[in-house]
Amino acid sequence: AQRVTQPEKLLSVFKGAPVELKCNYSYSGSPELFWYVQYSRQRLQLLLRHISRESIKGFTADLNKGETSFHLKKPFAQEEDSAMYYCALSAGSNYKLTFGKGTLLTVNP
Amino acid sequence: DAGVIQSPRHEVTEMGQEVTLRCKPISGHDYLFWYRQTMMRGLELLIYFNNNVPIDDSGMPEDRFSAKMPNASFSTLKIQPSEPRDSAVYFCASSLWHGEQFFGPGTRLTVL
Repeated sequence: AQRVTQPEKLLSVFKGAPVELKCNYSYSGSPELFWYVQYSRQRLQLLLRHISRESIKGFTADLNKGETSFHLKKPFAQEEDSAMYYCALSAGSNYKLTFGKGTLLTVNP
Repeated sequence: DAGVIQSPRHEVTEMGQEVTLRCKPISGHDYLFWYRQTMMRGLELLIYFNNNVPIDDSGMPEDRFSAKMPNASFSTLKIQPSEPRDSAVYFCASSLWHGEQFFGPGTRLTVL
């Protein structure tokens, strides 16, 4: 069975500081990894997925199969980045997403 | 498109009552997912459909929960009888084949 772990429930940084949200997974096959974000009073939405290798809103995430990690990084945090971030995994050919419990990021002015 | 639509947005009911949550997916999407979010367990997949057919219901907690998708534009999640431990936010999401899942605003259920 697959599992996604986000070790930090809360993360607080100052504006302009680098931010890293950790995500570790367990799955024996080749997973597809995602980061979803939920801003205050908005719907949960996709931020980025590892296969696209994009940078969205300055965020990047690299899949590290050796460490089974998919950490989300941004070099300079902005106040508008404050939100709940969820790491998710899709295993094999099914389209189920297994979510981590989320990290609440607060960017202070 | 208004995105995924869920109703009601809030539901307060008493233990033992039947609860029906509704979802209208994005037009043209062929996958529909029901999730439950709680503080303790986070976001859990309950069941998902492909072309209106239930594919995996292994996340449905017990027989009190049932879900249907009578057509491509409507799905229901029913709890009968409801219990206080069912209190949670229930999300519906839809997607195209192996694509991004688009979430609805959620239904906040409180069972007293």
